[in-house]
Amino acid sequence: QVQLVESGGGVVQPGGSLRLSCAASGFTFSSYGMNWVRQAPGKGLEWVAIIWSDGSNKYYADSVKGRLTVSRDNFKNTLYLQMNSLRAEDTAVYYCARDFSSSYYGMDVWGQGTTVTVSS
Amino acid sequence: DIQMTQSPSSLSAFVGDRVTITCWASQTISSYLNWYQQKPGKAPKLLISTASSLQSGVPSRFSGSGSGTDFTLTISSLQPEDFATYYCQQTSSTPYTFGQGTKLEIK
Repeated sequence: QVQLVESGGGVVQPGGSLRLSCAASGFTFSSYGMNWVRQAPGKGLEWVAIIWSDGSNKYYADSVKGRLTVSRDNFKNTLYLQMNSLRAEDTAVYYCARDFSSSYYGMDVWGQGTTVTVSS
Repeated sequence: DIQMTQSPSSLSAFVGDRVTITCWASQTISSYLNWYQQKPGKAPKLLISTASSLQSGVPSRFSGSGSGTDFTLTISSLQPEDFATYYCQQTSSTPYTFGQGTKLEIK
């Protein structure tokens, strides 16, 4: 079945780094744009980044630009989020999500999320 | 960046009620507006894309309308499983911003 599974979350000190992964299965990964969305504890959803199906274009939320980098490996069917210079406000559940047809139509498949805690 | 504002932030209603949630965009987004439902501890679920297209498997009591800057999500007859938080999201231009959410609770 169509599935996304995130991993790589954990506790990291401010200023530290972490790399999240999202393993895709059950669909042709290389045909879909992919997103990262996060949710701080008790807060709403925040869109973080998108990468086009072929990796040719990437866009970011202003709050993460220059610190978080999205990438993908279409041979390994895996999406990544490299997180550098982490701050307390990056503490959140991070979800990967698939574009439904194109980015205009929203995100139709979501992972279960992985938790990142930035704390000393 | 396009700002999305939802109203109300929270809402109490009875099973069987008709409920409407409103979402406003700070600039025109055509029909590039999507609605999600999220239950506690779960990932969001796409309900409606491009303002009014119901996702496969979503009950017909859910409907969406609007274009430009004003959008609505309507639930025609609330069921117990509909009590959740609802978010709108614009996908007209990056960053693809979400509204702050509307928490729908049982009265």
